[in-house]
Amino acid sequence: DAGVIQSPRHEVTEMGQEVTLRCKPISGHDYLFWYRQTMMRGLELLIYFNNNVPIDDSGMPEDRFSAKMPNASFSTLKIQPSEPRDSAVYFCASSRTGNEKLFFGSGTQLSVL
Amino acid sequence: AQSVTQLDSQVPVFEEAPVELRCNYSSSVSVYLFWYVQYPNQGLQLLLKYLSGSTLVKGINGFEAEFNKSQTSFHLRKPSVHISDTAEYFCAGSHGGSQGNLIFGKGTKLSVKP
Repeated sequence: DAGVIQSPRHEVTEMGQEVTLRCKPISGHDYLFWYRQTMMRGLELLIYFNNNVPIDDSGMPEDRFSAKMPNASFSTLKIQPSEPRDSAVYFCASSRTGNEKLFFGSGTQLSVL
Repeated sequence: AQSVTQLDSQVPVFEEAPVELRCNYSSSVSVYLFWYVQYPNQGLQLLLKYLSGSTLVKGINGFEAEFNKSQTSFHLRKPSVHISDTAEYFCAGSHGGSQGNLIFGKGTKLSVKP
C-alpha cells in the first residue's frame, strides 16, 4: 500500500482565497483524522471520521473550516476564506479501527500570505 | 480534562549516549499512551504504545517506555542513540479504546551530535 496520500505537499495562497486539502487514506481503514501542527499549539485534532461519517469536529477552529468524506477513499479539508493565522502543516491520518495505530500522511504545508 | 505534558522542548545528546524523553499525563481514569516520532518533512510514525499489561513497552528502533501509574509518567528511553534518531518525538494519550481522541504533547526535539 502507498500509505496515506495527501495533496498538495505545499500550498501558498493569499488571504481570502479558498484552500482545499486532499487526503486518500489507506485502503480498508475505517477511521480518518485531520490534524493541524503549528509551533505555538503543537498537534491539534481538527476532526475525525468513522466509516465516512464525522464523529467529532469539536477541534475545527471556526466556520471557515469544513471537512467532507464523500467515500471511503477520499477526504477534503476546506478553508474559506483563508487567513494568515491558518498557516500550518495539516496532516491526515487513518487507522483500521479506533484501537490501532494511526498512519500519517506527509502533510500539507499551508502558507497564507 | 486529560493533558499530556512533555517537559523538555529540546534535548541535545551525543551519539551513543543514553537518552530519556519525559512525558507526564493527567487523568482520573485509565489511559492509553503512545510515543510517535516525526522525521523532518514527514508525518508521524508510531514508536510504541501502552494499552494494558506489562508496564515496560518496547518499540521500534531500540526505544522503550515505562508506564508509571503512581508518577503518571510514560518516559521514553534508548540506551544508545544514533545520528539517525534525530527527530521530534511526541507523547500522546487517549481515554478508553479510541485513538480518535488522541491528545498530543508539544513534542521534544532530539538532536544527536557526533
